Amino acid sequence: DQQVKQNSPSLSVQEGRISILNCDYTNSMFDYFLWYKKYPAEGPTFLISISSIKDKNEDGRFTVFLNKSAKHLSLHIVPSQPGDSAVYFCAASRGGKSGAGSYQLTFGKGTKLSVIP
Amino acid sequence: EPEVTQTPSHQVTQMGQEVILHCVPISNHLYFYWYRQILGQKVEFLVSFYNNEISEKSEIFDDQFSVERPDGSNFTLKIRSTKLEDSAMYFCASGWTHEQFFGPGTRLTVL
Repeated sequence: DQQVKQNSPSLSVQEGRISILNCDYTNSMFDYFLWYKKYPAEGPTFLISISSIKDKNEDGRFTVFLNKSAKHLSLHIVPSQPGDSAVYFCAASRGGKSGAGSYQLTFGKGTKLSVIP
Repeated sequence: EPEVTQTPSHQVTQMGQEVILHCVPISNHLYFYWYRQILGQKVEFLVSFYNNEISEKSEIFDDQFSVERPDGSNFTLKIRSTKLEDSAMYFCASGWTHEQFFGPGTRLTVL
């Protein structure tokens, strides 16, 4: 049951160019989307998020775009740097039950980004 | 900058043994979570904890699993009788709302 899909297992980009990582979701109840970066033997590190009421959120080199009608989001990294090489996870959340309770995340399988110097 | 910590980093146990995984979440967060990642698979939600009780749990979180927040700082995951298929990375996370901050994980190996 893949509610969050990252169809590209890997992506290679030249240093200085733009990296675009894609994510699709199927569950219309998701109302918040997040991107995490993960290095081997470490936990996921929060990068950037976007609420379903917005279509773009920007933080420095990272921009997330949300297309609700297509149930698609993407993460743009520009310019890409060698230190960006990691696995990137898309995650989705829905509000907690009864107003408060949980914001459990549903993750995609991840995309391994390699930035080539 | 505050961070989530987890101990031990690696736990090896025999099938059928009990294990307790430890986490210290970020102190002023309200929501606490456990996730796991089996090698080569996606990160999966196990359980969330809010207001001193379980708020949601997944199908994975069966009667063999339990969580506790015994002293207001530590947050533990107990597996009563481990199975081979419990071998995975276990991540603790905490947060205020949607954004969650993860610990470095405990690698559990069941032999």
